[in-house]
Parts: sequence; C-alpha cells; structure tokens
Amino acid sequence: KAGVTQTPRYLIKTRGQQVTLSCSPISGHRSVSWYQQTPGQGLQFLFEYFSETQRNKGNFPGRFSGRQFSNSRSEMNVSTLELGDSALYLCASSSRWPTDTQYFGPGTRLTVL
Amino acid sequence: GESVGLHLPTLSVQEGDNSIINCAYSNSASDYFIWYKQESGKGPQFIIDIRSNMDKRQGQRVTVLLNKTVKHLSLQIAATQPGDSAVYFCAVLPDTGRRALTFGSGTRLQVQP
Repeated sequence: KAGVTQTPRYLIKTRGQQVTLSCSPISGHRSVSWYQQTPGQGLQFLFEYFSETQRNKGNFPGRFSGRQFSNSRSEMNVSTLELGDSALYLCASSSRWPTDTQYFGPGTRLTVL
Repeated sequence: GESVGLHLPTLSVQEGDNSIINCAYSNSASDYFIWYKQESGKGPQFIIDIRSNMDKRQGQRVTVLLNKTVKHLSLQIAATQPGDSAVYFCAVLPDTGRRALTFGSGTRLQVQP
C-alpha cells in the first residue's frame, strides 16, 4: 500500500503571500491530521478532518485553514504568510483515528522570505 | 492540557547495545501513546504504540513500557544498529475527546559503530 504523499515537498514564498499544501492519505484512510514542525516549538497539531468535516483544531491563528475532499485528500492553506510560518508541515492519516494509529507523510518544507 | 517531556535530548550508544529512551507525561487521563522515529529529511515513522490498559508491548527489536503510576513511558531498542540513528518522539493522546496528539521534544539517538 502506498504511504501518505504530500505535495509539493519544498516551497519558497515571500511574506504576505498565501500557500496551499496538499496531502493524499493512505488508500482507505478517511482521517487526515495536519501538524507543524519547527525547531523551536516542535510538532504542534493544526487540525484534523474526517469525511470532509473538521473535527478538531489546534491553537493556530485563522490564517491557517484546511479542507478535505470526498476522496479524503486534504489541503491546508496559509494566508498572509509570516516569517514564523517557515516550518515542515506534516500530514498524517488514519483509517479510524484514534482507534487506529496515525501514519505520517514526508512533509512539505515551507520557507518564507 | 498535556505536557510531554523527554529525559535526554541526545543519547549515544554503541552498536549492538540496548537503548532506552524515556518520556514523561502530565495528564493521568492520557489514553494512547505512540513512539515515532524521524530521520533527517523525512516525516515521523510509526514504531510502536500502547494503550492505557496495557503496561508493556513488544515489536520487532522494540519494547514500549508504560508506567501509569508515575506517568512514564519508555522505548527500548534491542541490539541497536546504525540504521536506528534518528530522532525519537513520544506522542500522547490526552483523551480521545480532544483527538490531538501532544509530542515530546525528541531524543536524538546516535549509534557509534
């Protein structure tokens, strides 16, 4: 079975721009969670989607948003980028979270200049 | 809330030795615990998990021990190999209602040949 895929793998943007990241979960997985990883804050939860519905949201500003499509693919969007948004954005999928575990993708490395 | 701490930021072991990585959590209602391994440039890779109704779980060369009395979790790696060199994270689910993993800051395991 193919793992979680994320596109693009690397992205460079400038302050004030917006960005959209994409995540394709493992086939059959309907739960998708997003995390931000930075050297200073570590791994922090952004939000979780299941069957196109956001079920949980972390403590991030409204500039961070996401959605899930009927095929379980998910996107996250960050508007009005700030330098501090530079991070590795990770997507994790699960067949039935939290009954079943989460499997992570390789991440998208976002650099904001 | 939940806070998760690791006892050592770096652990250096000789190839063939056993490794023990420790993690402490704060919320006694925490229900689900996962260990992930992250290699440079990659997303976290699932190693092993354990639920709060268990004290010990074994996988291939890895064992997770859960001590709910002192809120402590450990990952034991038998016969450590150079390929085990990575950053290891413990992740804790504070309660199933919250649905968001809280991660420790990670322990870098260095395996000396």
